[in-house]
Amino acid sequence: GEQVEQRPPHLSVREGDSAIIICTYTDSATAYFSWYKQEAGAGLQLLMSVLSNVDRKEEQGLTVLLNKKDKRLSLNLTAAHPGDSAVYFCAVSASSGSWQLIFGSGTQLTVMP
Amino acid sequence: EAAVTQSPRNKVAVTGGKVTLSCNQTNNHNNMYWYRQDTGHGLRLIHYSYGAGSTEKGDIPDGYKASRPSQENFSLILELATPSQTSVYFCASGDQGEAEQFFGPGTRLTVL
Repeated sequence: GEQVEQRPPHLSVREGDSAIIICTYTDSATAYFSWYKQEAGAGLQLLMSVLSNVDRKEEQGLTVLLNKKDKRLSLNLTAAHPGDSAVYFCAVSASSGSWQLIFGSGTQLTVMP
Repeated sequence: EAAVTQSPRNKVAVTGGKVTLSCNQTNNHNNMYWYRQDTGHGLRLIHYSYGAGSTEKGDIPDGYKASRPSQENFSLILELATPSQTSVYFCASGDQGEAEQFFGPGTRLTVL
């Protein structure tokens, strides 16, 4: 079955710097890719999602890149601020209509003032 | 208002006891899910449901049962709790045919 690896497990950056989190997956049929944010003591909140026909998507300081050849998904937070401090998860699915999400193990991001 | 709520938010149970975790959603979604979150493992799927009366096994169902008495409610039941079930449990809902899921705030369960 699908295997998702996420790195790094911990990431510290200064305010204004960029932060990059990477996930790799194994199933070439994976069609739906998403990133969730989990703030302390809260549930997961969807940040962005893309389908396999999209290589790049940008929204509000976030950039998602999808490299299907290398089976790699990345999330780039440009100009991070302390409010971005949280745990970030990638989650993928075999199709946009599938019920099953496979999650990465998470990245604890700390943005220092 | 929060669309997916969970109760209780914190629970301490004894080994061998019965624990019921409850989830309610007002999204009118057909699909509901129970996950557990442990350090280094991300979220792992325990049980899910396609609608009222339906429950299906996820990736790690052993030691857990689920109940979906209505569209809005989905419960996770630990008949004989064990310390290895100490974890944070998340409920989520999703639209039929859609991958996006909406999560509740989680329940922290400690089994002593």
